[in-house]
Amino acid sequence: AQTVTQSQPEMSVQEAETVTLSCTYDTSESDYYLFWYKQPPSRQMILVIRQEAYKQQNATENRFSVNFQKAAKSFSLKISDSQLGDAAMYFCALIPYNNNDMRFGAGTRLTVKP
Amino acid sequence: DVKVTQSSRYLVKRTGEKVFLECVQDMDHENMFWYRQDPGLGLRLIYFSYDVKMKEKGDIPEGYSVSREKKERFSLILESASTNQTSMYLCASATSGSMYNEQFFGPGTRLTVL
Repeated sequence: AQTVTQSQPEMSVQEAETVTLSCTYDTSESDYYLFWYKQPPSRQMILVIRQEAYKQQNATENRFSVNFQKAAKSFSLKISDSQLGDAAMYFCALIPYNNNDMRFGAGTRLTVKP
Repeated sequence: DVKVTQSSRYLVKRTGEKVFLECVQDMDHENMFWYRQDPGLGLRLIYFSYDVKMKEKGDIPEGYSVSREKKERFSLILESASTNQTSMYLCASATSGSMYNEQFFGPGTRLTVL
């Protein structure tokens, strides 16, 4: 079984600044995928970024990047140049390569201050 | 774009009522999921289905049942609603052919049981 831990229930960042959201996980699988999902207030959950565990290179999507440390089982999300629209609940998730058992962390609520 | 829709955004029911939550996806995905989202607990899997008429229990199936008569539609049923089933319910879908097993989410149904 997999577990995902987000130790920061809430975070805040000043507009235009950088913030890092933490995520650690535990799994016995060797092949898996990691995701960060964003859930804006009263809106649909959408995928922000994903990482294949077999890739050493950290994924990047515009202002969003990850720091993937496989040995430490850590998968943090960095948001650069934060914008008001980044305010949302962020969920870290893990899914093994060969099944549909996706596990989510408890979420981190990000506030962006103007 | 993948579209996952849920029949209601907000629902208020009384204890003991039978409740149906409907989910429809338009991308011919084989896999569909029902999650429950509670503060501090993240998303927990109730049931999932990998084909028409097929279903598997998730982590918290007690008090729920599901139905999948057509590939695009996955229903969650609360046979006799109780107050502890007050929650946000999220439906998701995924294709078996996806490299990343990425799940696409509906907007959610916030259910209140009085």
